[in-house]
Amino acid sequence: EAQVTQNPRYLITVTGKKLTVTCSQNMNHEYMSWYRQDPGLGLRQIYYSMNVEVTDKGDVPEGYKVSRKEKRNFPLILESPSPNQTSLYFCASSFRDSTDTQYFGPGTRLTVL
Amino acid sequence: AQSVTQLGSHVSVSEGALVLLRCNYSSSVPPYLFWYVQYPNQGLQLLLKYTTGATLVKGINGFEAEFKKSETSFHLTKPSAHMSDAAEYFCAVSSIIPFGNEKLTFGTGTRLTIIP
Repeated sequence: EAQVTQNPRYLITVTGKKLTVTCSQNMNHEYMSWYRQDPGLGLRQIYYSMNVEVTDKGDVPEGYKVSRKEKRNFPLILESPSPNQTSLYFCASSFRDSTDTQYFGPGTRLTVL
Repeated sequence: AQSVTQLGSHVSVSEGALVLLRCNYSSSVPPYLFWYVQYPNQGLQLLLKYTTGATLVKGINGFEAEFKKSETSFHLTKPSAHMSDAAEYFCAVSSIIPFGNEKLTFGTGTRLTIIP
């Protein structure tokens, strides 16, 4: 089954404790991206990747890191999480770029205390 | 820079009535426009998209949208609302800029409630 998977689905952590949210797709897509969803703000793009070893900032990259060492994986790293990073996070992938249909993961709900 | 404005964060319609969700965009180059739907506790899924060509785009579940360049709009409609249409709807814009950013920009969303 073609899908985007994220882990964990739910995470509660404390300020400053490094964490990684994994994202994996099995569709051989080139484009992958991370979004955060907050009430009243919709989805905002954090980072995106056009292919292996090619990443770029979205609209809200501060406090986040990403890497793309393999085509299928695109982890999101919070090196020192803060309460304002409490949010619902979505990973998405598409065949080639941002103009293609995006396939979204199920989401990761993160709470930073 | 590109942006999306969705008018109305909450819309309520009666079952069987017309659904109209509004979206206006801003883009310096020809846009690619999308509507995505998010059901409770799920990720987003594509309803329909406009790339080039025909300005009236038909999507899944009876939804359609019309691209109006002069009005910079891409409103979503459905002739007759069904209870299963209750969800949050997001309009999004992207564009191809040679050697430019490959961003996808979403609106703030419209929560659609269907009244029995």
